[in-house]
Amino acid sequence: DVKVTQSSRYLVKRTGEKVFLECVQDMDHENMFWYRQDPGLGLRLIYFSYDVKMKEKGDIPEGYSVSREKKERFSLILESASTNQTSMYLCASSFSGRSYNSPLHFGNGTRLTVT
Amino acid sequence: DAKTTQPTSMDCAEGRAANLPCNHSTISGNEYVYWYRQIHSQGPQYIIHGLKNNETNEMASLIITEDRKSSTLILPHATLRDTAVYYCIVRVVAAGNKLTFGGGTRVLVKP
Repeated sequence: DVKVTQSSRYLVKRTGEKVFLECVQDMDHENMFWYRQDPGLGLRLIYFSYDVKMKEKGDIPEGYSVSREKKERFSLILESASTNQTSMYLCASSFSGRSYNSPLHFGNGTRLTVT
Repeated sequence: DAKTTQPTSMDCAEGRAANLPCNHSTISGNEYVYWYRQIHSQGPQYIIHGLKNNETNEMASLIITEDRKSSTLILPHATLRDTAVYYCIVRVVAAGNKLTFGGGTRVLVKP
């Protein structure tokens, strides 16, 4: 089974702190994604990556950056956390190449609270 | 992206089939229909996907109409553990596997 592991299940940070959310997948997937999920707004794509050191902005990239130094690891960075970034963050991965139809596999999420 | 329309919620009796509808009238020829579900406090889980033929796997069946403007996810024998939010998604193939989630259908399986 595909395993997507997010480093923390719950995280509490203060406004202005730099926050790192880590995600690791064990299936050699080329694609990795970061979503946030908020009540009433559903899942929204923040950033995604097709390959090591490659990144693309999603629908709501403002206030976030990402890092993909190794294929299995995709980090989401909040440079200066704000209270409106309190949310559930979900990481996902999938195969790429010719198979654009490869499903996404999600981790169980990190619930971040910024106070 | 082709948008999808799903009922906000539905109830289902345990042991009965659950039929979850989805409208995607603006779907284009190379877009697949995907279904995911999200059980409370967990990440979304892939269920099934299809292009134009009906598909079946160990979890569910997917019925896509001939004009591809709508589809139905069928859970053949719903259990209490199938209580979840179910998302019908049309994939933007050209955008490298990007998925755009809508509001989904909240399914409550009752004993």
